[in-house]
Amino acid sequence: DTAVSQTPKYLVTQMGNDKSIKCEQNLGHDTMYWYKQDSKKFLKIMFSYNNKELIINETVPNRFSPKSPDKAHLNLHINSLELGDSAVYFCASSPPGLAGLQFFGPGTRLTVL
Amino acid sequence: QKEVEQDPGPLSVPEGAIVSLNCTYSNSAFQYFMWYRQYSRKGPELLMYTYSSGNKEDGRFTAQVDKSSKYISLFIRDSQPSDSATYLCAMTGGRDDMRFGAGTRLTVKP
Repeated sequence: DTAVSQTPKYLVTQMGNDKSIKCEQNLGHDTMYWYKQDSKKFLKIMFSYNNKELIINETVPNRFSPKSPDKAHLNLHINSLELGDSAVYFCASSPPGLAGLQFFGPGTRLTVL
Repeated sequence: QKEVEQDPGPLSVPEGAIVSLNCTYSNSAFQYFMWYRQYSRKGPELLMYTYSSGNKEDGRFTAQVDKSSKYISLFIRDSQPSDSATYLCAMTGGRDDMRFGAGTRLTVKP
């Protein structure tokens, strides 16, 4: 059984489009995250949600909007896509009180043309 | 200055070698120190998890934390080709302030 799953795995789209990435975890964790990994493999946190409540919102353009319908799901919607948004986006989750113990999804490779 | 510094490599070693990977950091609030391994086109997976200073061993892997020097290390003994991956150090104060190093790409040659 997949612990943290993301869809789609690959996303190729044109500049200016709006797209969404979905994430689901079946680990029963309270906290979920979105990370962006650039071409140099640098992994940077974007958002953190605890029990559907936004905890961290790092310096991210407001074109990026996370949505958590329940604590097992955290989706990422991106408006007006730009070339610089091309990256791999990872969803992760962690159990209560153990923020460093994170379980990552397989990633969504986004390419903006 | 970045909060976490890690030499991106690449690092290439022969099979059986001892590998040493390191990170330095600047935020003294960090209490939890992790090493993640990331294979190509996969998500990072937790390898080692330590709290505060000291050593932790798990099979061929040893993690060391020296909070006084703000320096952490991961040693891999008897390295195998299957250890070829990118290794990311990570740390947090425990309040959702996770920071990752840039990752070191390791290749172990048969």
